[in-house]
Amino acid sequence: GAGVSQSPSNKVTEKGKDVELRCDPISGHTALYWYRQSLGQGLEFLIYFQGNSAPDKSGLPSDRFSAERTGGSVSTLTIQRTQQEDSAVYLCASSPPGTYSYNEQFFGPGTRLTVL
Amino acid sequence: GNSVTQMEGPVTLSEEAFLTINCTYTATGYPSLFWYVQYPGEGLQLLLKATKADDKGSNKGFEATYRKETTSFHLEKGSVQVSDSAVYFCALSSKPPIIQGAQKLVFGQGTRLTINP
Repeated sequence: GAGVSQSPSNKVTEKGKDVELRCDPISGHTALYWYRQSLGQGLEFLIYFQGNSAPDKSGLPSDRFSAERTGGSVSTLTIQRTQQEDSAVYLCASSPPGTYSYNEQFFGPGTRLTVL
Repeated sequence: GNSVTQMEGPVTLSEEAFLTINCTYTATGYPSLFWYVQYPGEGLQLLLKATKADDKGSNKGFEATYRKETTSFHLEKGSVQVSDSAVYFCALSSKPPIIQGAQKLVFGQGTRLTINP
């Protein structure tokens, strides 16, 4: 079946512009995560959505970052007034529903963001 | 806070060599531990996991044992192949599996492994 998809695969933008990154999770997966992979910070958690619960935004680095998940499926990560330190690969993951067990996170290919 | 430390790379080995990639963690409670792998040009994928002390995760000839006394989860493989060349990430989830819900992961820095024929 189809895996997690992300678009665009590459995005180059100028400092100060806003960008939107999209994630399509695997159908039926209730949890959706955003992570960031950068040279200086490694792979770090940004935000996750779990069903109808309030999202955990504890990893967002600043208020320029926001995310939403519409209809419990597609998610958009928005970065406003981009800075050069935002350059990174943004990874999306989803996991299936389940109780009393670890639910494997399935990762997308990522969006490489370059801020000039 | 929770953190993961893994050996710095890059690591270069010859085919059929023995592999160890060290991973230690700091966490409160009873974390679950994971190894993820990122092959060239591909997305991150789960390699193996262990959810309680003394558990051994295994997959594709790789093994790692959850050692609570040493807070470690070292990755080993007895005989590596060229196809094992990838970046390996150790990770933890601070939420034990008995608790329902999403589990955010804390990752180590990653170790790039290159296997030469």
